[in-house]
Amino acid sequence: SQKIEQNSEALNIQEGKTATLTCNYTNYSPAYLQWYRQDPGRGPVFLLLIRENEKEKRKERLKVTFDTTLKQSLFHITASQPADSATYLCAQIRVDTGRRALTFGSGTRLQVQP
Amino acid sequence: DVKVTQSSRYLVKRTGEKVFLECVQDMDHENMFWYRQDPGLGLRLIYFSYDVKMKEKGDIPEGYSVSREKKERFSLILESASTNQTSMYLCASIDPGKNTGELFFGEGSRLTVL
Repeated sequence: SQKIEQNSEALNIQEGKTATLTCNYTNYSPAYLQWYRQDPGRGPVFLLLIRENEKEKRKERLKVTFDTTLKQSLFHITASQPADSATYLCAQIRVDTGRRALTFGSGTRLQVQP
Repeated sequence: DVKVTQSSRYLVKRTGEKVFLECVQDMDHENMFWYRQDPGLGLRLIYFSYDVKMKEKGDIPEGYSVSREKKERFSLILESASTNQTSMYLCASIDPGKNTGELFFGEGSRLTVL
Protein backbone atom coordinates (compact mmCIF):
# COMPACT_ATOMS: atom_id res chain seq x y z
CA SER A 1 0.00 0.00 0.00
CA GLN A 2 1.06 3.58 -0.53
CA LYS A 3 3.00 5.15 2.30
CA ILE A 4 4.04 8.68 2.90
CA GLU A 5 6.88 9.39 5.31
CA GLN A 6 8.32 12.44 6.91
CA ASN A 7 11.68 11.35 8.15
CA SER A 8 12.32 13.94 10.82
CA GLU A 9 10.11 14.10 13.85
CA ALA A 10 11.63 17.40 14.92
CA LEU A 11 13.84 20.08 13.45
CA ASN A 12 15.47 22.95 15.37
CA ILE A 13 16.95 25.90 13.53
CA GLN A 14 18.04 29.47 14.25
CA GLU A 15 15.95 32.41 13.23
CA GLY A 16 16.86 33.69 9.76
CA LYS A 17 18.02 30.30 8.48
CA THR A 18 16.24 28.19 5.89
CA ALA A 19 14.26 25.24 7.19
CA THR A 20 14.04 22.22 4.90
CA LEU A 21 11.53 19.45 5.58
CA THR A 22 11.37 16.17 3.68
CA CYS A 23 8.45 14.06 2.53
CA ASN A 24 9.00 10.69 0.86
CA TYR A 25 6.44 8.40 -0.70
CA THR A 26 6.56 4.79 -1.83
CA ASN A 27 5.13 3.01 -4.84
CA TYR A 28 3.23 5.09 -7.34
CA SER A 29 3.64 8.82 -7.81
CA PRO A 30 0.73 10.84 -6.48
CA ALA A 31 -0.93 13.29 -8.84
CA TYR A 32 -0.05 15.98 -6.34
CA LEU A 33 1.26 16.56 -2.87
CA GLN A 34 -0.04 19.02 -0.32
CA TRP A 35 1.60 20.65 2.67
CA TYR A 36 -0.24 21.72 5.82
CA ARG A 37 0.73 23.59 8.95
CA GLN A 38 -0.61 22.54 12.35
CA ASP A 39 -0.30 24.52 15.55
CA PRO A 40 -0.61 22.76 18.93
CA GLY A 41 -4.20 21.89 19.75
CA ARG A 42 -5.49 23.13 16.38
CA GLY A 43 -6.53 21.56 13.11
CA PRO A 44 -4.14 21.54 10.13
CA VAL A 45 -4.25 24.47 7.72
CA PHE A 46 -3.51 24.11 4.02
CA LEU A 47 -0.37 25.84 2.75
CA LEU A 48 0.63 24.67 -0.71
CA LEU A 49 -0.07 22.11 -3.38
CA ILE A 50 2.39 20.91 -6.00
CA ARG A 51 1.47 18.76 -8.99
CA GLU A 52 3.60 15.96 -10.38
CA ASN A 53 4.37 17.95 -13.53
CA GLU A 54 5.60 20.90 -11.48
CA LYS A 55 9.18 20.96 -10.26
CA GLU A 56 8.75 23.84 -7.85
CA LYS A 57 6.06 26.04 -6.29
CA ARG A 58 6.50 29.22 -4.26
CA LYS A 59 4.34 31.24 -1.92
CA GLU A 60 5.98 34.14 -0.11
CA ARG A 61 8.76 32.58 2.03
CA LEU A 62 7.63 29.04 1.27
CA LYS A 63 8.97 26.84 -1.50
CA VAL A 64 8.01 23.28 -2.34
CA THR A 65 9.76 20.97 -4.77
CA PHE A 66 8.60 17.65 -6.20
CA ASP A 67 11.07 15.08 -7.51
CA THR A 68 9.26 12.06 -8.98
CA THR A 69 12.57 10.28 -9.60
CA LEU A 70 13.53 10.44 -5.93
CA LYS A 71 9.86 10.08 -4.87
CA GLN A 72 10.34 13.07 -2.65
CA SER A 73 9.01 16.51 -1.89
CA LEU A 74 11.02 19.15 -0.06
CA PHE A 75 9.40 22.01 1.82
CA HIS A 76 11.54 25.08 2.47
CA ILE A 77 10.90 28.09 4.70
CA THR A 78 13.38 30.84 3.99
CA ALA A 79 14.31 33.57 6.49
CA SER A 80 12.58 31.54 9.19
CA GLN A 81 10.95 33.25 12.15
CA PRO A 82 9.90 31.98 15.60
CA ALA A 83 6.28 32.34 14.39
CA ASP A 84 7.01 29.59 11.86
CA SER A 85 7.36 27.11 14.73
CA ALA A 86 4.68 24.47 14.17
CA THR A 87 4.21 20.94 12.88
CA TYR A 88 4.22 20.59 9.12
CA LEU A 89 2.39 17.75 7.42
CA CYS A 90 2.60 16.49 3.88
CA ALA A 91 -0.32 14.68 2.30
CA GLN A 92 -1.24 12.96 -0.93
CA ILE A 93 -4.47 11.95 -2.59
CA ARG A 94 -5.42 8.30 -2.15
CA VAL A 95 -5.75 6.76 -5.58
CA ASP A 96 -7.06 3.45 -4.23
CA THR A 97 -10.32 4.90 -2.99
CA GLY A 98 -11.10 6.80 -6.15
CA ARG A 99 -12.32 9.58 -3.90
CA ARG A 100 -10.67 12.69 -2.64
CA ALA A 101 -9.36 11.30 0.63
CA LEU A 102 -5.85 12.25 1.69
CA THR A 103 -3.14 10.18 3.31
CA PHE A 104 -0.91 12.15 5.67
CA GLY A 105 2.63 11.80 6.88
CA SER A 106 3.20 11.89 10.62
CA GLY A 107 4.56 15.42 10.49
CA THR A 108 7.76 17.28 11.32
CA ARG A 109 7.78 19.60 14.31
CA LEU A 110 9.77 22.71 13.48
CA GLN A 111 11.18 24.90 16.23
CA VAL A 112 12.75 28.21 15.21
CA GLN A 113 14.96 29.64 17.93
CA PRO A 114 15.20 33.45 18.27
CA ASP B 1 -14.20 31.81 4.91
CA VAL B 2 -14.96 28.13 5.05
CA LYS B 3 -15.79 27.02 8.51
CA VAL B 4 -15.71 23.51 9.86
CA THR B 5 -17.04 23.40 13.39
CA GLN B 6 -16.61 20.53 15.80
CA SER B 7 -19.06 20.72 18.64
CA SER B 8 -16.78 19.67 21.48
CA ARG B 9 -13.14 20.65 21.92
CA TYR B 10 -12.57 18.44 24.97
CA LEU B 11 -14.48 15.41 26.20
CA VAL B 12 -13.88 12.96 29.01
CA LYS B 13 -15.85 9.73 28.88
CA ARG B 14 -15.85 6.41 30.67
CA THR B 15 -15.14 3.04 29.11
CA GLY B 16 -18.28 1.61 27.55
CA GLU B 17 -20.06 4.93 27.09
CA LYS B 18 -21.51 5.90 23.73
CA VAL B 19 -19.84 9.00 22.33
CA PHE B 20 -21.04 11.35 19.61
CA LEU B 21 -18.68 13.74 17.89
CA GLU B 22 -20.44 16.29 15.71
CA CYS B 23 -19.06 18.21 12.78
CA VAL B 24 -20.73 20.90 10.71
CA GLN B 25 -19.40 22.72 7.65
CA ASP B 26 -20.91 25.81 6.07
CA MET B 27 -19.56 25.64 2.52
CA ASP B 28 -21.89 23.09 0.97
CA HIS B 29 -19.02 20.62 0.54
CA GLU B 30 -19.99 17.16 -0.60
CA ASN B 31 -17.07 15.25 0.91
CA MET B 32 -16.43 15.06 4.63
CA PHE B 33 -13.90 13.08 6.63
CA TRP B 34 -13.05 11.93 10.12
CA TYR B 35 -9.43 11.44 11.09
CA ARG B 36 -7.80 10.62 14.38
CA GLN B 37 -4.37 11.93 15.25
CA ASP B 38 -1.95 10.25 17.62
CA PRO B 39 1.69 11.08 18.40
CA GLY B 40 4.05 9.36 15.98
CA LEU B 41 1.19 7.97 13.90
CA GLY B 42 -0.01 11.12 12.21
CA LEU B 43 -3.54 11.48 10.90
CA ARG B 44 -5.34 8.25 10.14
CA LEU B 45 -8.57 8.13 8.19
CA ILE B 46 -11.51 6.58 10.04
CA TYR B 47 -14.46 7.17 7.71
CA PHE B 48 -15.44 9.51 4.97
CA SER B 49 -18.63 10.46 3.19
CA TYR B 50 -19.07 11.77 -0.33
CA ASP B 51 -22.78 12.45 -0.17
CA VAL B 52 -25.74 12.44 2.17
CA LYS B 53 -26.33 8.96 3.59
CA MET B 54 -23.19 7.68 1.83
CA LYS B 55 -20.14 6.53 3.74
CA GLU B 56 -16.94 4.65 3.15
CA LYS B 57 -14.52 3.06 5.54
CA GLY B 58 -11.09 4.50 5.88
CA ASP B 59 -8.03 2.78 7.30
CA ILE B 60 -9.19 2.29 10.89
CA PRO B 61 -13.01 2.04 11.01
CA GLU B 62 -13.20 -0.61 13.74
CA GLY B 63 -15.03 0.60 16.81
CA TYR B 64 -16.52 3.59 14.98
CA SER B 65 -19.58 4.38 12.92
CA VAL B 66 -20.73 7.53 11.16
CA SER B 67 -23.90 9.30 10.19
CA ARG B 68 -24.52 11.78 7.37
CA GLU B 69 -28.21 12.71 7.38
CA LYS B 70 -27.66 16.24 6.10
CA LYS B 71 -25.04 17.56 3.74
CA GLU B 72 -23.53 19.95 6.24
CA ARG B 73 -23.29 17.53 9.16
CA PHE B 74 -21.10 14.46 9.63
CA SER B 75 -21.15 12.65 12.95
CA LEU B 76 -18.68 10.16 14.36
CA ILE B 77 -20.04 7.63 16.83
CA LEU B 78 -18.15 5.46 19.27
CA GLU B 79 -20.69 2.81 20.21
CA SER B 80 -18.76 1.67 23.28
CA ALA B 81 -15.76 3.82 24.05
CA SER B 82 -12.50 2.15 24.97
CA THR B 83 -9.28 3.58 26.39
CA ASN B 84 -7.43 3.02 23.09
CA GLN B 85 -9.82 5.48 21.50
CA THR B 86 -8.34 8.29 23.54
CA SER B 87 -7.12 10.61 20.81
CA MET B 88 -7.53 13.88 18.94
CA TYR B 89 -10.33 13.62 16.39
CA LEU B 90 -10.33 15.88 13.39
CA CYS B 91 -13.16 16.49 10.99
CA ALA B 92 -12.51 17.88 7.52
CA SER B 93 -14.37 18.74 4.34
CA ILE B 94 -13.42 19.32 0.75
CA ASP B 95 -14.93 20.76 -2.36
CA PRO B 96 -14.23 18.02 -4.93
CA GLY B 97 -14.73 20.47 -7.77
CA LYS B 98 -11.98 22.75 -6.57
CA ASN B 99 -8.66 22.48 -8.32
CA THR B 100 -6.43 22.48 -5.26
CA GLY B 101 -8.30 19.75 -3.43
CA GLU B 102 -7.38 21.26 -0.08
CA LEU B 103 -8.98 19.92 3.06
CA PHE B 104 -10.58 22.31 5.51
CA PHE B 105 -10.22 21.06 9.06
CA GLY B 106 -12.10 21.75 12.25
CA GLU B 107 -10.26 22.63 15.45
CA GLY B 108 -10.35 19.07 16.69
CA SER B 109 -12.01 17.22 19.54
CA ARG B 110 -9.71 15.81 22.16
CA LEU B 111 -11.33 12.73 23.66
CA THR B 112 -10.11 11.05 26.82
CA VAL B 113 -11.60 7.67 27.71
CA LEU B 114 -11.05 6.62 31.32
